[in-house]
Amino acid sequence: AQKITQTQPGMFVQEKEAVTLDCTYDTSDQSYGLFWYKQPSSGEMIFLIYQGSYDEQNATEGRYSLNFQKARKSANLVISASQLGDSAMYFCAMREGNSGAGSYQLTFGKGTKLSVIP
Amino acid sequence: GAGVSQSPRYKVAKRGQDVALRCDPISGHVSLFWYQQALGQGPEFLTYFQNEAQLDKSGLPSDRFFAERPEGSVSTLKIQRTQQEDSAVYLCASSLALDYTGELFFGEGSRLTVL
Repeated sequence: AQKITQTQPGMFVQEKEAVTLDCTYDTSDQSYGLFWYKQPSSGEMIFLIYQGSYDEQNATEGRYSLNFQKARKSANLVISASQLGDSAMYFCAMREGNSGAGSYQLTFGKGTKLSVIP
Repeated sequence: GAGVSQSPRYKVAKRGQDVALRCDPISGHVSLFWYQQALGQGPEFLTYFQNEAQLDKSGLPSDRFFAERPEGSVSTLKIQRTQQEDSAVYLCASSLALDYTGELFFGEGSRLTVL
């Protein structure tokens, strides 16, 4: 089973509107972290937001918020007031706490391409 | 610079050639990761270093791939006898945290094209 599932290959949103990008995850660990990264066409991976598995409050960073529903194993990214510069690939990722090799590697989903329409 | 630096940014190799990709992580970051990102896909884990020790190389696709970090800072990913399926962007990332909570800081990647 995939550890990170992003079911939306592409999304469109009108400028200034809000958009939700879906992410579900699969882990048997109690301790884990969930991340969202943005990848513009230039290629760099830009960190957006982090949610720890024990965090009771949903994470927020400026226009980004993470809708964390632990029982459903979902960690959707909400972008409010979309801007043209938000057009990019968005990746959901997870680091599991019980890493046998101790690497705590990030496992990524396949990504969602967001296009903001003027 | 303050970020993760990778070189070369672009590399074109003929099939069968050896290539070496360099990563200079953020100063003081103990953890260093290499990822491979095929076109249209998410990054996939290749290998992990904690200081100079390579603790996890489970993601390396074949024995043609080799990574080192001899002094615990700069790392090199070497691909021997390149094949067309090796064409991808190779991303390096570093992290301060030694557990699952820390953000990974990524470089801009090295885009390898094998002809």
